[in-house]
Parts: sequence; C-alpha cells; structure tokens
Amino acid sequence: DAGVIQSPRHEVTEMGQEVTLRCKPISGHDYLFWYRQTMMRGLELLIYFNNNVPIDDSGMPEDRFSAKMPNASFSTLKIQPSEPRDSAVYFCASNRQDTDTQYFGPGTRLTVL
Amino acid sequence: AQSVTQPDIHITVSEGASLELRCNYSYGATPYLFWYVQSPGQGLQLLLKYFSGDTLVQGIKGFEAEFKRSQSSFNLRKPSVHWSDAAEYFCAVGGNNDMRFGAGTRLTVKP
Repeated sequence: DAGVIQSPRHEVTEMGQEVTLRCKPISGHDYLFWYRQTMMRGLELLIYFNNNVPIDDSGMPEDRFSAKMPNASFSTLKIQPSEPRDSAVYFCASNRQDTDTQYFGPGTRLTVL
Repeated sequence: AQSVTQPDIHITVSEGASLELRCNYSYGATPYLFWYVQSPGQGLQLLLKYFSGDTLVQGIKGFEAEFKRSQSSFNLRKPSVHWSDAAEYFCAVGGNNDMRFGAGTRLTVKP
C-alpha cells in the first residue's frame, strides 16, 4: 500500500489567498483525521471523518478553515483567507475502525507570508 | 480529560548507549497507548502500541515500551541507540475518536 498521500508537500502563499490541502487515505480505512503541528502548540486535531461524514470539528480554529470528504479516497482542508499564523505543518491520518491505529501522511508544510 | 505528558523536551545520548523516554498519561479507563517517531521533514511513524495483555510491548527498530498502570506511565526504551534514531518521539493516548499527543521529546545522538 502507498500509505497516506498528501499534496502538496510544501505550499508558500501570501496572506489573504485561498489554500487547499489534499489527502488520500489508505484504501479501506474508514476514519480520516486532519492535524496541525506547530512549535508552540504541538500536534492538534482539527477535524475527523468517519465514513466520509465529519464527526468532530471542534478543533477547527476559525470559520476560515473548512474540510470536506466527498468520497472515501479523498479529503481537502481549505483555508480562506489564509493568515501568517496559519503557517504550520498539516498532517492527514487514517485508520480502520477495528485497529485504533492511525497512519500518518508526510504532511504539508504551509507558509503564509 | 485525557492527557499526555512527556517531561523531557530534549535528550542527548551517545551512540551505543541505552535510551529511555518518559511518558505519563491521564485517562479515565484502560488506555490505548502509542509511541510515534517523526524524522525531520517526515510524518509520524508508529513504533509500537499497547491495547491490552502483556505490559511489555515490542516495536519496530528495536524499541520496546512498558505499561505501568500504577505509575500511569508508558516509557519507551532501546538498549543501544543508533545515529539514525535521532528524531522526535511522541507518546499518545486514546483511540479513534480522541487521540491526544504529548509535546514530543527530541532525541539527539552523539557520535
């Protein structure tokens, strides 16, 4: 299996621009998670989906952040408009319900200037 | 509420020396416990996990961890560290719906 795939690996954008991060979970996994990692706050769960349905988005910092999962093999995290404080590494992870073990993608390093 | 504490932000060991990374947790029930490793510029890779049963868990890359309920600890160990083990290590507690990660311990390996 190719593992969790994220794109792009690096994104540099200017404040106010829209940013879209993409994730392809491992085939057969029914949970998908979006995390944000910063030096100050560590690893934070933003939102997770079960069977393509958002279950808990309490970690999404503001209305500027939105996430979708249109099908079992694709999810997006969108920031509109982006701000410099959104600069972080964003990870996607997935797992199967019966394993309780999350597998992480390589992350997207976002820099907002 | 569940939480994870990794008391050591940064640890330096010499290559070939033994290693122990500390992890303490707070959880209302029997926890699911994990150790992940993150190399620079990479995602998190699962080293090992504890769900139940034998409290000494073997993982990949020669790592092991011991669950001690009385101490609420799940410390990671390796008898002989290799230079390639230099990375950041994260302890985590919980399950599918509510995984909490510690702040991480950065490991530096001296030649």
